[in-house]
Amino acid sequence: QSVLTQPPSASGTPGQRVTISCSGSSSNIGSNTVNWYQQLPGTAPKLLIYSNNQRPSGVPDRFSGSKSGTSASLAISGLQSEDEADYYCAAWDDSLNGRGVFGGGTKLTVL
Amino acid sequence: QVQLVQSGAEVKKPGASVKVSCKASGYTFTSYDINWVRQATGQGLEWMGWMNPNSGNTGYAQKFQGRVTMTRNTSISTAYMELSSLRSEDTAVYYCARGFAVTTTTWDYWGQGTLVTVSS
Repeated sequence: QSVLTQPPSASGTPGQRVTISCSGSSSNIGSNTVNWYQQLPGTAPKLLIYSNNQRPSGVPDRFSGSKSGTSASLAISGLQSEDEADYYCAAWDDSLNGRGVFGGGTKLTVL
Repeated sequence: QVQLVQSGAEVKKPGASVKVSCKASGYTFTSYDINWVRQATGQGLEWMGWMNPNSGNTGYAQKFQGRVTMTRNTSISTAYMELSSLRSEDTAVYYCARGFAVTTTTWDYWGQGTLVTVSS
C-alpha cells in the first residue's frame, strides 16, 4: 500500500494529452514539493519533474507538473510512442521522523 | 559527466547480509546526499534511506531500522548500503541516487541498479 495514490494505468493515442494524478496528505504533498519520475522498461528511474513543476535540462516541454493542496498531477501533451513507461510521483513525508514516499506508479500505454 | 556505477548482482541465502556499492564520478562526492531506493520485480519504488557523504549522517526508513547500514569511503567516492537478516521479500533491484537535500525526493542521477536475489 503506497503512501501516495496514483491510478495504476493510463492510456492515450499519439498526439493526445494525458494526465496522471497523485493524491497524498498534509504530511507529504501538503507540505513538501512533488517530483515525478519516468521509468522505461528495464532501466533506472529518470527525474522528469521536480519542485512540482520544474523540468530538468533535456526534458521536453511536453511534460508539465502541477500541485494543489494535497494533490499533484503530471500532464503529457503531444503523446508519443516513446512516452510509454511507468510514472511515479514522490514527495518527502514529515511523519515517522521523515521519509521519502512514492506513489504506486502508473503504467502509461500509447495506443 | 555525472555517473553512479553500482556493484554487480548478488545471490544470498536467507539470514545473510549483502553490501552494495555505488561509485560516484563527475562531481564532488561530498556535496550531494546519496539515497537508496529498491524495487521488487513488477512492483513500485520503495525508499530505504539517505546518507550525507560529507558528515556520514544517515536517516533510514522505519521499516529498515536495525537492518540497514549506509556508509561511505570518501577517498574513493563510493557509498555502500548493507542490508542484514535477508529474507525472500528483500529480493529486489537496489538503486542509489544522488540527492540535493535531505527533505526532498529530488534525485537527479541514479545508478544502474543491483539485483539482489535471496533464495535458499
